[in-house]
Amino acid sequence: GAVVSQHPSWVICKSGTSVKIECRSLDFQATTMFWYRQFPKQSLMLMATSNEGSKATYEQGVEKDKFLINHASLTLSTLTVTSAHPEDSSFYICSARDTIAGGGSGQFFGPGTRLTVL
Amino acid sequence: KQEVTQIPAALSVPEGENLVLNCSFTDSAIYNLQWFRQDPGKGLTSLLLIQSSQREQTSGRLNASLDKSSGRSTLYIAASQPGDSATYLCAVNEANSKLTFGKGITLSVRP
Repeated sequence: GAVVSQHPSWVICKSGTSVKIECRSLDFQATTMFWYRQFPKQSLMLMATSNEGSKATYEQGVEKDKFLINHASLTLSTLTVTSAHPEDSSFYICSARDTIAGGGSGQFFGPGTRLTVL
Repeated sequence: KQEVTQIPAALSVPEGENLVLNCSFTDSAIYNLQWFRQDPGKGLTSLLLIQSSQREQTSGRLNASLDKSSGRSTLYIAASQPGDSATYLCAVNEANSKLTFGKGITLSVRP
């Protein structure tokens, strides 16, 4: 149980285009999901907290108009990188918290999406 | 602001050795602490979760301890195997459910 999927697993796009990444909780409901990015040999940095049915909460320094988050259902959150630039190239990972089990159960992570912007 | 430190950044040991990975955090007001494993280019696999009221958790050859007052956690790996080679990340969960990660320890177990 507690499986989180991400799609796509990797994507290459041209500079200036937009890319959408999906994060799904497959066997549990997730009111809250989290989006992280990870640069090579660096740790995960939280970008935003995604809340089902409401606006996402962005961390300081993260542009909300560039990284659009939609959490329309209890099992799906999407991250759209708008007008992507090469410096947006990174590994994006989502996580989900089981709504019923609560924060005590920890977060379950997706396999990540490798974004390369040419 | 919470800071999580993992030292050293990399570790190489021969197969069969018992080893300890360290994690320290600056703010002891945590909800729980998780240890994760990350293989190159992959997502995170949760290894152990320790609640703030607990002192240790065990799973197979892994044992994680937590000393909240001193801001330390250790991950003990018994009888290490080449398949244990990966990056091990420590993350603390504060009351707002945000995880703060350390930079990880890249472990290499030599056959």
